Amino acid sequence: TQLLEQSPQFLSIQEGENLTVYCNSSSVFSSLQWYRQEPGEGPVLLVTVVTGGEVKKLKRLTFQFGDARKDSSLHITAAQPGDTGLYLCAVHGSSNTGKLIFGQGTTLQVKP
Amino acid sequence: DVKVTQSSRYLVKRTGEKVFLECVQDMDHENMFWYRQDPGLGLRLIYFSYDVKMKEKGDIPEGYSVSREKKERFSLILESASTNQTSMYLCASSLLREPGNEQFFGPGTRLTVL
Repeated sequence: TQLLEQSPQFLSIQEGENLTVYCNSSSVFSSLQWYRQEPGEGPVLLVTVVTGGEVKKLKRLTFQFGDARKDSSLHITAAQPGDTGLYLCAVHGSSNTGKLIFGQGTTLQVKP
Repeated sequence: DVKVTQSSRYLVKRTGEKVFLECVQDMDHENMFWYRQDPGLGLRLIYFSYDVKMKEKGDIPEGYSVSREKKERFSLILESASTNQTSMYLCASSLLREPGNEQFFGPGTRLTVL
């Protein structure tokens, strides 16, 4: 079983539509990160959320950390083709090892 | 600008060959990581290193080894490649280990084992 469950796994939408991606767990985390990976590249950090209930905005992207710090969501408003990519949520493993544990990822395709 | 580079973008090897994947970072980071990425499974940690000549097993170390002779370079070794090691391999580095710290990734090496 995955520590982090992402849904949906695949999303194909038209330009201008809104969407939400979810990252869920039964465990509590001190922080959670979202990365985006574009085709042919490595993941790049979008945001880190640390406080329960926290909302962070990055242009058209809105990230929320659940009140209990067990889940997170990523909402994209008016999606554009440039948003196409793989979105990954991740948390650090225990013991300050620096290890990241990733969800399975959500592949987003935004058609013009 | 921070940079993590990987020696090859694409690699094709035969079963049983010894394979070296090289990763170099220019940020003077102590922590380096090797992941493999497979569809539907996300990224899974193979090995990581906190310092020169130090290494720690990740979640899926079987069939792999690593070498860190210099701070900036972390190599992943497949002693005898097998077809189930066909995958995308990603190297990453980070300055700190505390939760919330950013990892910087290379562009990946897509390895095919025939």
